[in-house]
Amino acid sequence: EVQLVDSGGGWVQPGGSLRLSCAVSGFSLSNYYMNWVRQAPGKGLEWISYISTSGSSINYADSVQGRFTISRDNAKNSLYLQMNSLRAEDTAVYYCARGDFLTSSHKSFDNWGQGALVTVSS
Amino acid sequence: QSALTQPVSVSGSPGQSITISCTGTSSDVGNYNLVSWYQQHPGKAPKLIIYEVNTRPSGVSDRFSGSKSGSTASLTVSGLQADDSADYYCCSYAGGRTWVFGGGTKLTVL
Repeated sequence: EVQLVDSGGGWVQPGGSLRLSCAVSGFSLSNYYMNWVRQAPGKGLEWISYISTSGSSINYADSVQGRFTISRDNAKNSLYLQMNSLRAEDTAVYYCARGDFLTSSHKSFDNWGQGALVTVSS
Repeated sequence: QSALTQPVSVSGSPGQSITISCTGTSSDVGNYNLVSWYQQHPGKAPKLIIYEVNTRPSGVSDRFSGSKSGSTASLTVSGLQADDSADYYCCSYAGGRTWVFGGGTKLTVL
């Protein structure tokens, strides 16, 4: 069974940092592109970051560019999101989302973690 | 990019059909047949129900169908059931390894 488990959320003051993790099982992480998607309280979904299978290709939404860093450790079956210079508007549930298999190009997110709540407040 | 435009809410009675629209631009919906739809129940993670405009993942009911015309995609839910009450989000690939979501539509089955 495919599983993605998000962890690392919590409360942090503005300007602070937090690192999210996404542990996967039931599939080989090295064969899939991965993403982070967030959802502010009562709001819609927002794609924020993408990473290729090897980690050689990375992209970010403008809203987090320069502050967030996506990474992966395929040997540990884990995806990460390092979040620095956090702002109140970064308060959201953060989901890791599985993207395409290595040889496909559906450009959709077929499996999601349960989400990790990040609260940025003084 | 700006979010895709969806109606805030739609409703229908059990057994009826509803359609949710998703309007983008020539840079996203209009440029790629890579629109996906997600169903989200309260407090739960989103679930993929349509990808590549009109393809259902294995296990998704055939009551869900998708289409696209120009820069507007649509999701139709037929034979409405109580459990279809949820939020629905469209999403389009926008090139350059970026994606854009719609603002979401709350479906209420009366």
